[in-house]
Amino acid sequence: EAGVAQSPRYKIIEKRQSVAFWCNPISGHATLYWYQQILGQGPKLLIQFQNNGVVDDSQLPKDRFSAERLKGVDSTLKIQPAKLEDSAVYLCASSSIGLAGRDEQFFGPGTRLTVL
Amino acid sequence: QKEVEQDPGPLSVPEGAIVSLNCTYSNSAFQYFMWYRQYSRKGPELLMYTYSSGNKEDGRFTAQVDKSSKYISLFIRDSQPSDSATYLCAMSVMYGGSQGNLIFGKGTKLSVKP
Repeated sequence: EAGVAQSPRYKIIEKRQSVAFWCNPISGHATLYWYQQILGQGPKLLIQFQNNGVVDDSQLPKDRFSAERLKGVDSTLKIQPAKLEDSAVYLCASSSIGLAGRDEQFFGPGTRLTVL
Repeated sequence: QKEVEQDPGPLSVPEGAIVSLNCTYSNSAFQYFMWYRQYSRKGPELLMYTYSSGNKEDGRFTAQVDKSSKYISLFIRDSQPSDSATYLCAMSVMYGGSQGNLIFGKGTKLSVKP
């Protein structure tokens, strides 16, 4: 079974520039997540999709971050304009709800963003 | 107080040692408890998954949940250099009969020396 794919793996931009990340989840997984992991911290959920609908985006800074999941498969996360504090690893995860409501999330390798 | 507290380490042990990793939490509604392992420049991978209280064993790994103390642990027996990684605890509430969103600890960086 192929895992969660993300691209690019690394990105360096200057502040106020725009950037986009792409995620392809595990085939058949209805739920897709974007997390932000700042160095030395655990992942923090930015947005959760169920198929192509948003379930939770309460922690997404909507003035600069946007995400979409067209056709309920691939997803893109965009930052416009970027700030220095956006430097982090952006992780995509996908899951399907199993027995007893268990939700095992499978993570991609992440995109490491550096904002200069 | 953060919802989930985890000592970031780093923790360095000799090969073969027993490792104990811990997290405390403040939200008594947490029902699902997980441990993830994250190698450098990789995404987290699920190691152990526990629902409610009790112990769970899988090979050299044992997860314990003490809800009365709001404390969870991961034990690694006969630690190997390949266990060197950051270990993240994660927790969630039950929401609508299913698992809610994950709240992660900061992670503990473990190094096992040959």
